[in-house]
Amino acid sequence: DAGITQSPRHKVTETGTPVTLRCHQTENHRYMYWYRQDPGHGLRLIHYSYGVKDTDKGEVSDGYSVSRSKTEDFLLTLESATSSQTSVYFCAICTGTGSYEQYFGPGTRLTVT
Amino acid sequence: DAKTTQPNSMESNEEEPVHLPCNHSTISGTDYIHWYRQLPSQGPEYVIHGLTSNVNNRMASLAIAEDRKSSTLILHRATLRDAAVYYCIQLVNSGGSNYKLTFGKGTLLTVNP
Repeated sequence: DAGITQSPRHKVTETGTPVTLRCHQTENHRYMYWYRQDPGHGLRLIHYSYGVKDTDKGEVSDGYSVSRSKTEDFLLTLESATSSQTSVYFCAICTGTGSYEQYFGPGTRLTVT
Repeated sequence: DAKTTQPNSMESNEEEPVHLPCNHSTISGTDYIHWYRQLPSQGPEYVIHGLTSNVNNRMASLAIAEDRKSSTLILHRATLRDAAVYYCIQLVNSGGSNYKLTFGKGTLLTVNP
């Protein structure tokens, strides 16, 4: 395993409530990513980080914000959850050098009712 | 976005070789080809990558066409544990040392006992 964990693993929340998902790594990798996976869409990039306090948007960033105050943690926040954000969320890490392969966490299944 | 084309599904028998094709006709000279796989209820897993030459590792082999517009992932002896969705991805530089993976729908590999 690549030393990457996600919490919580499962969460059910109501529309309009804020939700924060946490990705934690023990590899000291520079790059971290948040993806969502929905049936028929594959994985889509939400946000990514290329260092502490350095983040950028992916292809489906609307309704999401991220923060990275230390190398090992990358937080994904849904300020006001909507039913369309029901999904499986994956975090990934990457050294940012060499072949740039990414290593993925186990995922968080989020249901917004 | 860099787009690859893969068959939606393939079927194989246990202990037989499997050749998973991928077309990447828009590839540029510096884009790597990455392969990932996703087992049921898990996050994607890095399999192999290459640029121009054929590559081997403990999981698989990657054969890249001379014009680089296509590649083939080879599993030498399929096992039931190889049943997964296999993603062929063109790794694109999005600026500086920022690289992004763009996942398509992949190929669902079924392995028959």
